[in-house]
Amino acid sequence: DGGITQSPKYLFRKEGQNVTLSCEQNLNHDAMYWYRQDPGQGLRLIYYSQIVNDFQKGDIAEGYSVSREKKESFPLTVTSAQKNPTAFYLCASSPSPISYNEQFFGPGTRLTVL
Amino acid sequence: SQQGEEDPQALSIQEGENATMNCSYKTSINNLQWYRQNSGRGLVHLILIRSNEREKHSGRLRVTLDTSKKSSSLLITASRAADTASYFCATGSDRGSTLGRLYFGRGTQLTVWP
Repeated sequence: DGGITQSPKYLFRKEGQNVTLSCEQNLNHDAMYWYRQDPGQGLRLIYYSQIVNDFQKGDIAEGYSVSREKKESFPLTVTSAQKNPTAFYLCASSPSPISYNEQFFGPGTRLTVL
Repeated sequence: SQQGEEDPQALSIQEGENATMNCSYKTSINNLQWYRQNSGRGLVHLILIRSNEREKHSGRLRVTLDTSKKSSSLLITASRAADTASYFCATGSDRGSTLGRLYFGRGTQLTVWP
């Protein structure tokens, strides 16, 4: 069953803690993306990776970090430096890093800071 | 900003009616895509239209693109309650640092009443 998965679905974090959101795909896609979505807002790009062992900052990278050590995995760490981390986080992948490809999205992780 | 903007922000119609959503953008693009998001879920790709195309159909969906006006429209014909969702346009240009990136608008929330 091919697809892109994210875990956990819901995540609660205390202020000052780092948390890591998981994103895995078995579609053999080269490109992967992390977006943040706030209520009533569109998607804002946090980080993206065009190929394994490479990644670039998006529009709102401050307070976040990523790694791409394996093609199928692109975890996102929300650090304590992120001042307002409560949001819905979406991971996506596409076959190659050109925008003509559709992006396949995971089900999302809702992060709440207590 | 390369981000698209959808209009209207919210649309409420009866089953069987047509729904039209518009998207405007500011920079040159090479493609525009429409995505759908059910509440609390990931996005699902609906249709892609290239900058050299003016109209495209997929089932009950019809997309138009006017690059001179930098605008696109998504028409859903004979809408159903199951079409209730948020609809986002996303633009891509693949120029330099934007390679592989899509820029999403804030979306139109469509509600279809039975």
